[in-house]
Amino acid sequence: QVQLVQSGAEVEKPGASVKVSCKASGYTFTDYYIFWVRQAPGQGLEWMGWINPNNGDLKYAQIFQGRVTMTRDTSINTAYMEVSGLTSDDTAIYYCTRERIGCSSTTCHFDYWGQGTLVTVSS
Amino acid sequence: EIVLTQSPGTLSLSPGERAALSCRASQSVSSRHFNWYQQKPGQAPRLLIYGASSRAAGIPDRFSGSGSGTDFTLTISRLEPEDFAVYYCQQYGGSPPYRFGQGTKLELK
Repeated sequence: QVQLVQSGAEVEKPGASVKVSCKASGYTFTDYYIFWVRQAPGQGLEWMGWINPNNGDLKYAQIFQGRVTMTRDTSINTAYMEVSGLTSDDTAIYYCTRERIGCSSTTCHFDYWGQGTLVTVSS
Repeated sequence: EIVLTQSPGTLSLSPGERAALSCRASQSVSSRHFNWYQQKPGQAPRLLIYGASSRAAGIPDRFSGSGSGTDFTLTISRLEPEDFAVYYCQQYGGSPPYRFGQGTKLELK
């Protein structure tokens, strides 16, 4: 069965960086984009960006450009998302999810999600 | 920039009642890439409806989606206790290419 399993909760100080992993199983890793979605406490869902595991192509939401880096390791079917220059506003749950590559000709949607990783930024 | 606005912000209903949740886009969007998700406390979002009206795998038939252009609706025909959650609409297309609505909280009356 399809699974996206994320790394555990992190506590970081302001100005630090954090790297979250998302390990995929149960499907062909290179057939689906990996997206990252953020949810601040009590708030809604915010799209951060995506990576194409097949070729490493990236797209970041404008508000995260320059602070977020998404990478992948196809040998272990894992995607990573790193946020630098953390502030208290980055305290949130970070989710990975997937979308089928080439979906624009049919329907694009996020069908499986990771369990989420809580990142707390506190001095 | 396309904005998705969900209404109401909170909907208070009882089990057995019918729920209608609205999502309005600031300009016409493709229904092929219009989706609904359910999120329960402490859980990741779950895909309910994709392509505006297709139920995702394992979703009960009391959930249905409709709409096109700028107005979309998620309907739950008869509420079950497990349906009380937050619901988000989401759409792909335009610039920026992805967006979510702010959510509707469906709460027990």
